[in-house]
Amino acid sequence: EPEVTQTPSHQVTQMGQEVILRCVPISNHLYFYWYRQILGQKVEFLVSFYNNEISEKSEIFDDQFSVERPDGSNFTLKIRSTKLEDSAMYFCATILAAYQETQYFGPGTRLLVL
Amino acid sequence: SQQGEEDPQALSIQEGENATMNCSYKTSINNLQWYRQNSGRGLVHLILIRSNEREKHSGRLRVTLDTSKKSSSLLITASRAADTASYFCATDARQAGTALIFGKGTTLSVSS
Repeated sequence: EPEVTQTPSHQVTQMGQEVILRCVPISNHLYFYWYRQILGQKVEFLVSFYNNEISEKSEIFDDQFSVERPDGSNFTLKIRSTKLEDSAMYFCATILAAYQETQYFGPGTRLLVL
Repeated sequence: SQQGEEDPQALSIQEGENATMNCSYKTSINNLQWYRQNSGRGLVHLILIRSNEREKHSGRLRVTLDTSKKSSSLLITASRAADTASYFCATDARQAGTALIFGKGTTLSVSS
């Protein structure tokens, strides 16, 4: 069964550094999402992306965050200047089309900002 | 507004027993989904129930939805140690394709 993959699985970075988290969606899926989960807390929506532009974003997704599909396959989340509070598990999710309701999640990237 | 708040927060049972988790939400929904997360891992989709459905089954899982009470329950029958995980409900409040709103989850521990 096709899966969403994410790299890296773990990343440790210094505060103020830029990080790029990568996601490879399921082939032919058109809608992409980023969520995060701070340790012990609920999963929170960050941003959705369709047709090479942001469809929807939450209050968390401020100017420090950006998303893109640089090569038509990968879907990336960039955090320009990481803060301690950015430490979390970041999940990518995809769906085939708007009428498909089930979002398929990747295994996540655990980001630790020191 | 808060959506998808589960209870109990934690549940410990013995293998073979049934586990019931509840979820409440506040606004109108298009559908409600349940996900499982093993410790430190990704989210695995379990089951989706649409707002016009009242009950749905998948293997040992049974989900109910009461839109009048804005609540859902997930029943896992004949639990196994491998069912140990956190379970989250998520609602799609507006339309298909939009963000999921997750609850805080129920941590289920099944001992053998």
